[in-house]
Amino acid sequence: QKEVEQNSGPLSVPEGAIASLNCTYSDRGSQSFFWYRQYSGKSPELIMFIYSNGDKEDGRFTAQLNKASQYVSLLIRDSQPSDSATYLCAVNSGDDYKLSFGAGTTVTVRA
Amino acid sequence: DGGITQSPKYLFRKEGQNVTLSCEQNLNHDAMYWYRQDPGQGLRLIYYSQIVNDFQKGDIAEGYSVSREKKESFPLTVTSAQKNPTAFYLCASRRGQGAYNEQFFGPGTRLTVL
Repeated sequence: QKEVEQNSGPLSVPEGAIASLNCTYSDRGSQSFFWYRQYSGKSPELIMFIYSNGDKEDGRFTAQLNKASQYVSLLIRDSQPSDSATYLCAVNSGDDYKLSFGAGTTVTVRA
Repeated sequence: DGGITQSPKYLFRKEGQNVTLSCEQNLNHDAMYWYRQDPGQGLRLIYYSQIVNDFQKGDIAEGYSVSREKKESFPLTVTSAQKNPTAFYLCASRRGQGAYNEQFFGPGTRLTVL
């Protein structure tokens, strides 16, 4: 089974700071990488995807991918209380395009 | 309004009962998925279907069954063989066949065994 590991939380950051979330994966053949945000009691919501090495920015979110190191990260700049949620890293396993999910990192932004 | 709907939102099951969770999408997506989420854990794949009348087992298929008779619908039955069914069940769909197409989730069904 393909493994996806996320840094253990919870992660507490002050409002306005940068939250940094990390994810490593075991399958070197993985092609696509996704970050989902999940509020308590709700379903996951896609916030970012990245396919190529380097950085991808979307508003306050930046995804970073390093395939050689099998590492993907998510930066949340200017963190807001509304960013308080669990963030799930998902990696395409390359096998029937299934996704493997990490256990998630819970972020709390304190005002 | 396009999207994925799941029903019911909450479901209570007595031991020994089979229950069926509904998942419908009007996004014209080809692939559909069922996941299970337990507290503090990530999502685990139960079953998935790439096309109508075809489906594949995921990582934890034992005690579950599915059908895919229509493109829009992918119901999940939790059978009495599933020993620990209390969990949050999520249905997802994905457009197309490629690796670069993201999955979108329905609102989920929370199943509790009494």
